Amino acid sequence: QQQVKQSPQSLIVQKGGISIINCAYENTAFDYFPWYQQFPGKGPALLIAIRPDVSEKKEGRFTISFNKSAKQFSLHIMDSQPGDSATYFCAASEGSTLGRLYFGRGTQLTVWP
Amino acid sequence: EAQVTQNPRYLITVTGKKLTVTCSQNMNHEYMSWYRQDPGLGLRQIYYSMNVEVTDKGDVPEGYKVSRKEKRNFPLILESPSPNQTSLYFCASRLTTVNTEAFFGQGTRLTVV
Repeated sequence: QQQVKQSPQSLIVQKGGISIINCAYENTAFDYFPWYQQFPGKGPALLIAIRPDVSEKKEGRFTISFNKSAKQFSLHIMDSQPGDSATYFCAASEGSTLGRLYFGRGTQLTVWP
Repeated sequence: EAQVTQNPRYLITVTGKKLTVTCSQNMNHEYMSWYRQDPGLGLRQIYYSMNVEVTDKGDVPEGYKVSRKEKRNFPLILESPSPNQTSLYFCASRLTTVNTEAFFGQGTRLTVV
């Protein structure tokens, strides 16, 4: 059973546009929701993360929106740039002793110049 | 520089020939894990370790072994590789199990023929 569902699988956006990637989860015990960015030939790297006590977190052009009641969270990339072209993974974990991170299946973002 | 180092980066082997992929981290992290990445399936956890001598199965452990004899090292062992283990493998480490950033290695692309 997939713990975190991510959509879309691929996304094409024009330079300067807004990229939006959505994720949904079922486990209400999850309390940490990071997004990872992966460039070709590299390992994933943390982009931004949020905890459920806030509804939004912004870092530069990247914003996480979190809807606890709907059990959904999303990544918004404002003013998308060709350098943002990468694969994005959402993830979730609970602060228990297991500490497992459950990843979505990823979204391949292409930003056209 | 804080990092997770995997070796080798690329490996082509034949069915049944035992192999080991090494992983080492220099951040004194307690938690380490192995993932495989396949197109359309995202990152799936193979095994994880919460500390020295403590390991457990992830979502796709069949055909793999791990060991954690030292805190910094977490090798992945394929005793008898099969073609369905052809994949991109990532090692990751986290400081603790509670809501901390995961640092990923550069990946190992394994082909089993």
